[in-house]
Amino acid sequence: IQLTQSPSSLSASVGDRVTITCRASQGISSYLAWYQQKPGKAPKLLIYGASSLQSGVPSRFSGSGSGPDFTLTISNLQPEDFATYYCQQLNSYPPYTFGQGTKLEIK
Amino acid sequence: QVQLVQSGAEVKKPGASVKVSCKASGYTFTGYSIHWVRQAPGQGLEWMGYINPNSGDTNFAQKFLARVTMTRDTSINTAYMELSRLRSDDTAVYYCARLVGLGRKLDSWGQGTLVTVSS
Repeated sequence: IQLTQSPSSLSASVGDRVTITCRASQGISSYLAWYQQKPGKAPKLLIYGASSLQSGVPSRFSGSGSGPDFTLTISNLQPEDFATYYCQQLNSYPPYTFGQGTKLEIK
Repeated sequence: QVQLVQSGAEVKKPGASVKVSCKASGYTFTGYSIHWVRQAPGQGLEWMGYINPNSGDTNFAQKFLARVTMTRDTSINTAYMELSRLRSDDTAVYYCARLVGLGRKLDSWGQGTLVTVSS
């Protein structure tokens, strides 16, 4: 299963609303997760089951979609949100594929 | 709290093997599979495979089938990933992560182990 993320990079300002898309090449039900990664750090789980918010993650993060297109939306961007975001399918393995990543930069 | 603590950075020569450990604490080790993900410098995340600490069952990405071994020691709550016949393009940060099966999510990650392959 291939996951195609778009865009590969994105510039936005604090307070903006941004959307990142992940398209699956085959059906993956709702077994899609989103992670945030900052330089030199391990990925952090944000969203699982396509739309469930992981405990402790701010509510400005939301996920939607049911295949083949899934979206991660960040509302009211905060300075700490500038990072790289990855989607991952956990429907079938091997492998549990990741998308290629979306780098969110400050405009 | 759930913690996964990995072993330290390694430098290896091409053709050698490396074994990275991942010590779990704060939860029942045998209750959750441990997955391994790597990230080459400046690149994205790549899923390598997983081990079920309870049964010892493993499953690997096709790319790593011939070179990877995943084991565990339940007496010390530690999982291991060994990669053999190292090449320069195996230079990467290797992460372990816990899969919560019900939600199908990698909810806790180790801090990463940098493996450098250089002659």
